[in-house]
Amino acid sequence: SQQGEEDPQALSIQEGENATMNCSYKTSINNLQWYRQNSGRGLVHLILIRSNEREKHSGRLRVTLDTSKKSSSLLITASRAADTASYFCATDPNTGNQFYFGTGTSLTVIP
Amino acid sequence: DTGVSQDPRHKITKRGQNVTFRCDPISEHNRLYWYRQTLGQGPEFLTYFQNEAQLEKSRLLSDRFSAERPKGSFSTLEIQRTEQGDSAMYLCASSSTTGDTEAFFGQGTRLTVV
Repeated sequence: SQQGEEDPQALSIQEGENATMNCSYKTSINNLQWYRQNSGRGLVHLILIRSNEREKHSGRLRVTLDTSKKSSSLLITASRAADTASYFCATDPNTGNQFYFGTGTSLTVIP
Repeated sequence: DTGVSQDPRHKITKRGQNVTFRCDPISEHNRLYWYRQTLGQGPEFLTYFQNEAQLEKSRLLSDRFSAERPKGSFSTLEIQRTEQGDSAMYLCASSSTTGDTEAFFGQGTRLTVV
């Protein structure tokens, strides 16, 4: 499978804490994207990191990419209750232009 | 243009009926993707287009599924002879081929086959 796999499957933290979720993938990629999905809704694009980048920031989000380990991490700092959602990584393998999702991390931020 | 638009948002159909969903991508995007998502799972890639060309369709779930993008703008996904197992959220996304290639998703069409 060319899907990414997120870890952990579920994460529960207190508001204000940081949340870290990881993504591992199997093939060489052009880029990796992180998405958020609230229950029953569409996916919201968070951040894209290219294969030649190692770290990227956007607001409270920090993404790292280690192509040698075929892994990425998403850090959400100072979490808020509104961050409660499922988070997915999507990999764009350099064998084509489609991209594939993992099964996601379900994040619960407790107020 | 406010983003990717999908229609309808919800569809309930009887088993054996045909259904068609529509996706209008972001206007300047030339790539369009279809995904299916079942409860508790990540989106599953079905097919994608670059302009009007369908460049990958081997992941369509069966020959009951087909997609078109006749003029390189909106796309339709049709499921013939629906089965209860087709019940899922069907998601459409679009992206550009230049610059940042992030894919943006619509709100999806939730299909329920009864």
